[in-house]
Amino acid sequence: KQEVTQIPAALSVPEGENLVLNCSFTDSAIYNLQWFRQDPGKGLTSLLLIQSSQREQTSGRLNASLDKSSGRSTLYIAASQPGDSATYLCAVTLLRVTGGGNKLTFGTGTQLKVEL
Amino acid sequence: SQTIHQWPATLVQPVGSPLSLECTVEGTSNPNLYWYRQAAGRGLQLLFYSVGIGQISSEVPQNLSASRPQDRQFILSSKKLLLSDSGFYLCAWSVQGSYGYTFGSGTRLTVV
Repeated sequence: KQEVTQIPAALSVPEGENLVLNCSFTDSAIYNLQWFRQDPGKGLTSLLLIQSSQREQTSGRLNASLDKSSGRSTLYIAASQPGDSATYLCAVTLLRVTGGGNKLTFGTGTQLKVEL
Repeated sequence: SQTIHQWPATLVQPVGSPLSLECTVEGTSNPNLYWYRQAAGRGLQLLFYSVGIGQISSEVPQNLSASRPQDRQFILSSKKLLLSDSGFYLCAWSVQGSYGYTFGSGTRLTVV
């Protein structure tokens, strides 16, 4: 059974700091890995999607890397801002099984607070 | 462009009452559809998924059921709500063979 863990569970940093969020998964036979952001009481917003054949993806101040062999992904946030405060979730999809629906397994989340 | 609609945004229901949450997707055909629940202080749990009309797979035994009467419509139901059904319910879709999930805005259900 795929298990996804995120470290740290919570993080508080001053504005402007660069930071790294970690995600690890137990089954390396993944189809892709996706990072989401969730604001309190809101749905999930997709940030970055990394296919299993890729090593990293970048969007603005965000960079996500993937190391399938070690079962790890990191989300790097450059020059953090108070607006980045949210819970960050990583999720993996196992290699597609016919009729299996590409189910996501979510990590436990990292709650980030960026302070002025 | 593809969009996903989920309603209502919030719902307060008494124990024993029925439930119907609706999710619709626009701009895509034959999507995979999913219902997730996020209980307070806990992670996201997959409840149901569907790969086609009338095809429903349940991930966990529970008081809820799901239906997919149309290609882009996914409904979460209960005949009699329990207190433990309270939580944040999220609908999501993905395209078969591809490329990540898109989530709806969620429904906050409180059973009292």
